[in-house]
Amino acid sequence: NAGVTQTPKFQVLKTGQSMTLQCAQDMNHEYMSWYRQDPGMGLRLIHYSVGAGITDQGEVPNGYNVSRSTTEDFPLRLLSAAPSQTSVYFCASSYSRGLAGFQETQYFGPGTRLLVL
Amino acid sequence: AQSVTQLGSHVSVSEGALVLLRCNYSSSVPPYLFWYVQYPNQGLQLLLKYTTGATLVKGINGFEAEFKKSETSFHLTKPSAHMSDAAEYFCAVSDPGVNNDMRFGAGTRLTVKP
Repeated sequence: NAGVTQTPKFQVLKTGQSMTLQCAQDMNHEYMSWYRQDPGMGLRLIHYSVGAGITDQGEVPNGYNVSRSTTEDFPLRLLSAAPSQTSVYFCASSYSRGLAGFQETQYFGPGTRLLVL
Repeated sequence: AQSVTQLGSHVSVSEGALVLLRCNYSSSVPPYLFWYVQYPNQGLQLLLKYTTGATLVKGINGFEAEFKKSETSFHLTKPSAHMSDAAEYFCAVSDPGVNNDMRFGAGTRLTVKP
């Protein structure tokens, strides 16, 4: 198993450019999520998906779009990059979120470091 | 909504000394609690978690944590630090129930001195 993979590892963008961060998992997990990590703020949830065709917003969704056409892939799109989106982005997956709350272990990718100039 | 506070953004210990990383949460109901570790330039991986049952939870690499409801705490400990424990540690909380996602603390960076 490759686990959770993310590409690219590092990206530099100019303000206003758009790009897609790729995320894939080979564990047949239902739940996938995107977080951003900023110094002193921990990880904040951007968007998540509980299954193919189902997505929802997290804590900080503005400026980002997601889609989930397959179980394996969950790309994150930056529509018009801003310097405030400079961050490290992590994709994660877990077996499910469940009706009784989030008890499952999340498996994280290695991250994408994004710099917006 | 639940939240989590990690006391101390940086903790430094000597090799062989006790490691204590503090985590307090706020939640209207007994939550699910997690500790994740992030080694340099890597993603997070689960150290341990508490969902139900025994309040003292043992994890990987000799770490353990105790859920104390009366103190709303879930501190992480290890009796003897090793150089390889140097990393950033995140406490996370999730409330039982539908549509409650995981909230992470700000993280504590652990340095281990030889």
